[in-house]
Amino acid sequence: QKEVEQDPGPLSVPEGAIVSLNCTYSNSAFQYFMWYRQYSRKGPELLMYTYSSGNKEDGRFTAQVDKSSKYISLFIRDSQPSDSATYLCAMSEKKSSGDKLTFGTGTRLAVRP
Amino acid sequence: KAGVTQTPRYLIKTRGQQVTLSCSPISGHRSVSWYQQTPGQGLQFLFEYFSETQRNKGNFPGRFSGRQFSNSRSEMNVSTLELGDSALYLCASSLRTSGGAGDTQYFGPGTRLTVL
Repeated sequence: QKEVEQDPGPLSVPEGAIVSLNCTYSNSAFQYFMWYRQYSRKGPELLMYTYSSGNKEDGRFTAQVDKSSKYISLFIRDSQPSDSATYLCAMSEKKSSGDKLTFGTGTRLAVRP
Repeated sequence: KAGVTQTPRYLIKTRGQQVTLSCSPISGHRSVSWYQQTPGQGLQFLFEYFSETQRNKGNFPGRFSGRQFSNSRSEMNVSTLELGDSALYLCASSLRTSGGAGDTQYFGPGTRLTVL
């Protein structure tokens, strides 16, 4: 079993829809949670960075972390065709121990105009 | 500020050969991490270098190695290439300040390696 599980999709939604992306994990030592967006033939780009449990909002994006359930989510409001990409969740144990990120396999999202 | 740059962007090699990939971090960033991305396994951590020292290592065979120079630029080397080494190799840099802030990793565009 992988440390981080993520549904690969693909997920297809109409423009303007609310998108929900999720990851589950098994390592209770994870404390830092990130969402990256990766366009085709590009490197991952950081979208959201959250420490421990709680919510964080940035524009149309909201990240949620529930450490008790070992479950993290990314919500995209008013989705746009430009949001079409692969979304990767990533986690790390603690900053001082090094920058090893453990990634989910990514969910491919397509937003239809 | 310029982002993370990786060279070359594309590479074709044959089995048994070796390859060296290069990564230049964002100016001022002292940590460089390397990841392998494949369709089946996703992004997997290879190793991290900070101040020319390997700080962290993933579960890859010894054929995968790296180094970091005094200017924080990093190279990774893969010897005796196998077909399964075909992947996108990504480099990420971060500040790695002692206080822990600013450890966000910024990724380069990657080097796509094809082994024939």
